[in-house]
Amino acid sequence: DTQMTQSPSSLSASVGDRVTITCRASQSISTYLNWYQQKPGKAPKVLIYGASNLLSGVPSRFSGSGSGTEFTLTISSLQPEDFATYYCQQSYSSPCTFGPGTNLEIK
Amino acid sequence: QVTLTESGPALVKPTQTLTLTCTFSGFSLSSSGMCVTWVRQPPGKALEYLARIDWDGDKYYSTSLKTRLAISKAASKNEVVLTMTNMDPADTGTYFCARVRPAAGTRYYYMDVWGTGTTVTVSS
Repeated sequence: DTQMTQSPSSLSASVGDRVTITCRASQSISTYLNWYQQKPGKAPKVLIYGASNLLSGVPSRFSGSGSGTEFTLTISSLQPEDFATYYCQQSYSSPCTFGPGTNLEIK
Repeated sequence: QVTLTESGPALVKPTQTLTLTCTFSGFSLSSSGMCVTWVRQPPGKALEYLARIDWDGDKYYSTSLKTRLAISKAASKNEVVLTMTNMDPADTGTYFCARVRPAAGTRYYYMDVWGTGTTVTVSS
């Protein structure tokens, strides 16, 4: 299986900050990497597929990059509704494993 | 509009078998590229991929749980069923089903529509 790790595991930031979350795969997954946002008590919501492709309706302050084994999710200017947990997930090979998540909290 | 709804028992006893049903609408699991997956989340913990069934009948499972899981689609119904045997308190959590589809013209698959989840507690 492809193991996914994320750093940091938690992050405190303020509205307007720029934040970056890193996701690493245990083997190359090309650009088969998705990012999800989950708020407490809710189902996850997909933000980005294929490492850098923003889903329709997702604000442009979100961006993704990377290939191979290292990927990043960047939020350029945090908004109050962005405080949530973020998960990466690889879709290169089954089982399509998730990372452990990054909890983004308000400072 | 695509919707998915999970259903099943809220409480099961250790060693019992859990059966969950995902009832969906707004798409056909027979359409090329369409898939349905199950994901679970223990309280306060991360998402965990469980299983997936594809439009062509292919099935995929979590490596660590594959001996306990079975996924199937109900004939002539918009339902996907997940069974998990030998339930343990560590299996307590919220179980989600989601549609998996490829981005148009690509092989990038992602979970685009999720159910609200169903909570399962394993306790005697």
